[in-house]
Amino acid sequence: KAGVTQTPRYLIKTRGQQVTLSCSPISGHRSVSWYQQTPGQGLQFLFEYFSETQRNKGNFPGRFSGRQFSNSRSEMNVSTLELGDSALYLCASSFGQGKGYTFGSGTRLTVV
Amino acid sequence: KQEVTQIPAALSVPEGENLVLNCSFTDSAIYNLQWFRQDPGKGLTSLLLIQSSQREQTSGRLNASLDKSSGRSTLYIAASQPGDSATYLCAVSEKKSSGDKLTFGTGTRLAVRP
Repeated sequence: KAGVTQTPRYLIKTRGQQVTLSCSPISGHRSVSWYQQTPGQGLQFLFEYFSETQRNKGNFPGRFSGRQFSNSRSEMNVSTLELGDSALYLCASSFGQGKGYTFGSGTRLTVV
Repeated sequence: KQEVTQIPAALSVPEGENLVLNCSFTDSAIYNLQWFRQDPGKGLTSLLLIQSSQREQTSGRLNASLDKSSGRSTLYIAASQPGDSATYLCAVSEKKSSGDKLTFGTGTRLAVRP
């Protein structure tokens, strides 16, 4: 069965721009989470969605937002990009609370 | 606040050695602990998932144990191979009033020399 699909794989954006990343979970998985990975901070939790509702949010500024659609696909948006937003953004899906996660290959965002 | 620590940060071993990676966490209110592998520039591959009620899980040459009361987990890799070279991450799934999240350790970078 298909895994977690993230698009695009790579992005280069300019400071001040905004970006939208997409994640398609494993079929049947209703929970989608987003993580940011940087060399300095490691993996940090951004937010989690379940049945189109944000259930949990990490400690990131309001420039980071997300949503989930009725088919469980999710998007995250970063507005007014800063150089420090350069990172690998990972999406993970799960059947539900405590069921274990499957991760996608990530989107590598570079802000110049 | 949950904190996850992994020791050692890096490890280099000759092929064929058995090795142990360590993970500790501060809050025992978890659903489970998951071990992942990450190759450079890639996403995370799940290796083993241990529920909070379990003591260990095995998959091939990998064995993971969990001692929730002491906040510790170990990942044992038997007969290491160069293809095992990667960063290994442990993550705990915290019990929250709503939602779910993983808290990750900083990882152990493993190099297996031929």
